[in-house]
Amino acid sequence: QQQVKQSPQSLIVQKGGISIINCAYENTAFDYFPWYQQFPGKGPALLIAIRPDVSEKKEGRFTISFNKSAKQFSLHIMDSQPGDSATYFCAASQGNSGYSTLTFGKGTMLLVSP
Amino acid sequence: NAGVTQTPKFRVLKTGQSMTLLCAQDMNHEYMYWYRQDPGMGLRLIHYSVGEGTTAKGEVPDGYNVSRLKKQNFLLGLESAAPSQTSVYFCASSRTHGYTFGSGTRLTVV
Repeated sequence: QQQVKQSPQSLIVQKGGISIINCAYENTAFDYFPWYQQFPGKGPALLIAIRPDVSEKKEGRFTISFNKSAKQFSLHIMDSQPGDSATYFCAASQGNSGYSTLTFGKGTMLLVSP
Repeated sequence: NAGVTQTPKFRVLKTGQSMTLLCAQDMNHEYMYWYRQDPGMGLRLIHYSVGEGTTAKGEVPDGYNVSRLKKQNFLLGLESAAPSQTSVYFCASSRTHGYTFGSGTRLTVV
């Protein structure tokens, strides 16, 4: 059972364009929704995260939009740059007593063409 | 500030051989995790630990064992490697929600 569904699998965007990656989850107990960025040969790195009590979070060119009723959240990359070319993973977790395990989507390979 | 260090970075095993992957973190994080990454499958949790001396199974634990004898170290063992265990293995640690990942171990079982 895939608890976090991510789309698209791959995405090509022109430099300066907007990249949009979508995720949907099933478990209503999830309470933390991060996005990770992974460059080839490296481990994933936390990019931005949101909790379900807000509908949007922005950090620089990166924005998470969250729709609790639809159980969906998305990553928007404004003014996409070639340096943004990487694999992006959405994730979700539920935690108690201070710890959590992340469930990841299958990833989106983003290529930003010059 | 090393963060999370994984050793080795690359390894080729023959079917049936055993090996241990080592993960060390210097951030005094309580929680540690082992994930495997396969093309098109995302990252899947193998085992995790919520503290020294405690471990728990994740989504895909079969064929793996783990130990957390010291807070800073989390070991992943393969007792009898199989070709299906060919993958990139990532260790992570966290204080709460924010995970810090290592750079991975690429394991090939032939």
